Amino acid sequence: EAQVTQNPRYLITVTGKKLTVTCSQNMNHEYMSWYRQDPGLGLRQIYYSMNVEVTDKGDVPEGYKVSRKEKRNFPLILESPSPNQTSLYFCASSLSGIAGPYEQYFGPGTRLTVT
Amino acid sequence: KQEVTQIPAALSVPEGENLVLNCSFTDSAIYNLQWFRQDPGKGLTSLLLIQSSQREQTSGRLNASLDKSSGRSTLYIAASQPGDSATYLCAVSGSGANNLFFGTGTRLTVIP
Repeated sequence: EAQVTQNPRYLITVTGKKLTVTCSQNMNHEYMSWYRQDPGLGLRQIYYSMNVEVTDKGDVPEGYKVSRKEKRNFPLILESPSPNQTSLYFCASSLSGIAGPYEQYFGPGTRLTVT
Repeated sequence: KQEVTQIPAALSVPEGENLVLNCSFTDSAIYNLQWFRQDPGKGLTSLLLIQSSQREQTSGRLNASLDKSSGRSTLYIAASQPGDSATYLCAVSGSGANNLFFGTGTRLTVIP
């Protein structure tokens, strides 16, 4: 089954404790991205990757890091989480960049709480 | 910066009614527009994608239109069903970049 998976689905952590949220897709997609969803603000893009070893900032990259060493994986790293990073996070992928006729596939989301 | 607005924020309709959801965007220089559905506690599911050169797309009971010059899109749902209850989001691709800009969504409730 074609899908985007994220782990963990739920995470409660404390300020400053480094964490990684994993994202994996099994569709051989080139484009992958991370979003956060907050009430009243909608989804905002954090980082995206056009292909292996190619990443770039989205709208709200501060406090986050990403890497793309393999085509299927695109982990999101919070080096020193803070309470304002409490949010619902989504990973997404598509065959190519968003300018083409390719729909975005989203993961199920990771609900992160930073205390 | 592109801004996407969806009005109304919430909508309740009786089962069987036809309905229209609205999406507007400020910068008409887009590559495409997508409509998504989000169910509580779940990810987003792509419903329709309209490229900037197209005027509309149809899938089953759903029809999405795009008027790029006026910065508007509509999602038409025919013969609504309780299973259509969800939040509907529209998103536009940013011109010259690989950003996707989302509206805050319309929460639809279809009453049996």
